[in-house]
Amino acid sequence: SYVLTQPPSVSVAPGKTARITCGGNNIGSKSVHWYQQKPGQAPVLVIYLNSDRPSGIPERLSGSNSGNTATLTISRVEAGDEADYYCQVWDSSSDYVFGTGTKVTVL
Amino acid sequence: QVTLRESGPALVKPTQTLTLTCTFSGFSLSSSGMCVSWIRQPPGKALEWLALIDWDDDKYYRASLKTRLNISRDTSKNQVVLTMTNMDPADTATYYCARIMASAGSCYLGYNWFDPWGQGTLVTVSS
Repeated sequence: SYVLTQPPSVSVAPGKTARITCGGNNIGSKSVHWYQQKPGQAPVLVIYLNSDRPSGIPERLSGSNSGNTATLTISRVEAGDEADYYCQVWDSSSDYVFGTGTKVTVL
Repeated sequence: QVTLRESGPALVKPTQTLTLTCTFSGFSLSSSGMCVSWIRQPPGKALEWLALIDWDDDKYYRASLKTRLNISRDTSKNQVVLTMTNMDPADTATYYCARIMASAGSCYLGYNWFDPWGQGTLVTVSS
């Protein structure tokens, strides 16, 4: 089965840059999507097709995907960015797969 | 505006069958490219895809749960129903429904994502 590995937690000071990685075998050949989930709330799509942003998502959030790692980058981090973040792909042998999730803490 | 809302029992007993309903608005499941999916999240754990149904009434299930799941739709009511048999405490989770808009002719392909999601409904399995 296809596995997506994320760091359990990332801590970042306000105004700095947070980078959340999503590791998977040859993930660069797949389309990666990212979701933000705040406590007690449903996930919200923040990046689709590796680097596209839905309307209403600030430009501070960006995505990239190459080799065995996809990355969600949050620039100029704000307190409101504190949340869990999940990556997601589709794999022919594993169907829809979500990453293990990363908790972003704003210091 | 597209919205989805899950409904169903908050508590079920082990071995019982769970029935959840997703009521949606803002799109038609009869329209080409539209799909509705179910995803669950055990407390404190990651998301797990369960099933989806598409505009052609094609159905797809998580392989490990295929024998326990059934997904169906009522297009006149804008509802999708998920049933899960033989419930176990390990099935305790928040269950979400979400829309997929097929980006390459199928919702069972490598380019699709879930947007938007319903608020979720917590189901606890306990005697």
